[in-house]
Amino acid sequence: AQSVTQLGSHVSVSEGALVLLRCNYSSSVPPYLFWYVQYPNQGLQLLLKYTTGATLVKGINGFEAEFKKSETSFHLTKPSAHMSDAAEYFCAVRVKRPGTYKYIFGTGTRLKVLA
Amino acid sequence: DGGITQSPKYLFRKEGQNVTLSCEQNLNHDAMYWYRQDPGQGLRLIYYSQIVNDFQKGDIAEGYSVSREKKESFPLTVTSAQKNPTAFYLCASSISWGSEQYFGPGTRLTVT
Repeated sequence: AQSVTQLGSHVSVSEGALVLLRCNYSSSVPPYLFWYVQYPNQGLQLLLKYTTGATLVKGINGFEAEFKKSETSFHLTKPSAHMSDAAEYFCAVRVKRPGTYKYIFGTGTRLKVLA
Repeated sequence: DGGITQSPKYLFRKEGQNVTLSCEQNLNHDAMYWYRQDPGQGLRLIYYSQIVNDFQKGDIAEGYSVSREKKESFPLTVTSAQKNPTAFYLCASSISWGSEQYFGPGTRLTVT
């Protein structure tokens, strides 16, 4: 069965440090991959997505992610954390099923940025 | 300004009452979705609609009902049959079925 695993439900980084949020998926075919950010009591906002083509994808707010097929990973990075990056981040995959698609969301990683 | 609106932001109900959550979009999207979010569980799909006048059950449809009479509206009713209705409910839409989803601000439902 297809799944999405986000390693670490909580991650803390110092302001200015590298942000690395991990996402691994299991799928028999390369899926579409997404990262969303959620601020408290708000909806999800799309940060970036991978569909086909270039495996390094740049998103909003200085985030980027690299699709690595051999590692079935789509980790999210940002070179320098800002206090405003504190939020919950969700990795999601879109997998094809017969006649339809299915979106699978990870359980989320809460990012804390320390001053 | 195009977007998805959900109302109300917070909703309180007594156990045994049905309650309807509103979701409206002016993005001219064909597909709409309802998700339930609980702490530590990510998002779980309740219902989805690929096109107006059509909808399908998601992974956790029991105790919920929807309608899609207009393209821009996809209300969700949480019935008294839902065993544990207290949660954060998110509505989303996409330009077509399978394309990336855009989310509304959510409704936090508390049932006591």
